[in-house]
Amino acid sequence: QQQVKQSPQSLIVQKGGISIINCAYENTAFDYFPWYQQFPGKGPALLIAIRPDVSEKKEGRFTISFNKSAKQFSLHIMDSQPGDSATYFCAASALRAGGTSYGKLTFGQGTILTVHP
Amino acid sequence: DGGITQSPKYLFRKEGQNVTLSCEQNLNHDAMYWYRQDPGQGLRLIYYSQIVNDFQKGDIAEGYSVSREKKESFPLTVTSAQKNPTAFYLCASSIRAASGYGYTFGSGTRLTVV
Repeated sequence: QQQVKQSPQSLIVQKGGISIINCAYENTAFDYFPWYQQFPGKGPALLIAIRPDVSEKKEGRFTISFNKSAKQFSLHIMDSQPGDSATYFCAASALRAGGTSYGKLTFGQGTILTVHP
Repeated sequence: DGGITQSPKYLFRKEGQNVTLSCEQNLNHDAMYWYRQDPGQGLRLIYYSQIVNDFQKGDIAEGYSVSREKKESFPLTVTSAQKNPTAFYLCASSIRAASGYGYTFGSGTRLTVV
């Protein structure tokens, strides 16, 4: 129930196209959904995050869409650029997580995005 | 600048040796975390700590040990009991161990068994 399933595992997009990465979860207690961007040899960096009280959040070319009833959320990258080529992780956390300590993030498996020029 | 410093960037370990990975933060964050990253497996939680002198096992704690004697420091020891230690190790911190606070990650340590 703590899992976050992410797809696709890899994605190739042409410059200017739209990149879409999807995540699904089971734990209805999850109340915070961030996305992280990781370049090779670096640590992940927080890209954008959403809470379940809104269905969409946009920051520049990056948009999170959230579907609470389907327990799914997705990252859309508009006008994808070669500089967006990286690994993207979705994650989720809950105020209470199965009786264990709260707040720690559960990560998806990651999506390797390649944007061709 | 505030951030998390992991050292060394690359580390080589011989079979049967213990090695310690350093993680220091100057963000005044309460919570700190260690993750292991393998290709195609995402980020797996090894240990985490919400407060000084307290820590909890994550999903893959076997073969690892940690300490949290100072708020700023959360070193990870990879013991000889860890059978497959070759991986990329990431340390992270957050303001507090409560939902809604993003993590700040270090740049990682790549450990290789030789």
